[in-house]
Amino acid sequence: GQQVMQIPQYQHVQEGEDFTTYCNSSTTLSNIQWYKQRPGGHPVFLIQLVKSGEVKKQKRLTFQFGEAKKNSSLHITATQTTDVGTYFCAENSGGSNYKLTFGKGTLLTVNP
Amino acid sequence: DTAVSQTPKYLVTQMGNDKSIKCEQNLGHDTMYWYKQDSKKFLKIMFSYNNKELIINETVPNRFSPKSPDKAHLNLHINSLELGDSAVYFCASRGLAGGHYNEQFFGPGTRLTVL
Repeated sequence: GQQVMQIPQYQHVQEGEDFTTYCNSSTTLSNIQWYKQRPGGHPVFLIQLVKSGEVKKQKRLTFQFGEAKKNSSLHITATQTTDVGTYFCAENSGGSNYKLTFGKGTLLTVNP
Repeated sequence: DTAVSQTPKYLVTQMGNDKSIKCEQNLGHDTMYWYKQDSKKFLKIMFSYNNKELIINETVPNRFSPKSPDKAHLNLHINSLELGDSAVYFCASRGLAGGHYNEQFFGPGTRLTVL
């Protein structure tokens, strides 16, 4: 089935630096969701993007959905140690059954 | 109050044994899921039930059998456990579509270790 490719796999930054993770698909996505999983924790929903070219912000987090709805990004401005975790994008590949297919995630570590 | 709960949190068992993991959600959601997260953190869907009916069944060995006694509960029974079954298993639930984000709420996970 459809799969989103997520890069990078790992990213290590100094506190205060910016961070971006990208998801790409070879086919048009109906929508895309982003989740964060803290070390030892469970995935927690961050946002869903539906419209072409959509941009949404949550404090220091900026989410974008590409114009062609084939890519998405999550950008964190001025990272903090609380941002540590794995960030996953996920696309609905099941139609009305709403099956989420997750990217492989980007593990973000932040050096204080 | 915990929205999605799973028991047990940790499960250590021998190869060949049969074990069950339980999941309950108090969100009133109709749809529940089981995911497997391997050591590389890859999250893969296994099953989904909507109002006690199986709607998604990925390519999972038939040693895995989900059961949904009611829409608030989705249990996972695993027969003849193998080393490769070691992983973290997450239960999740989702509310109604239409006007909602289709956000999935995950349980805390069950870390299964097969020796």
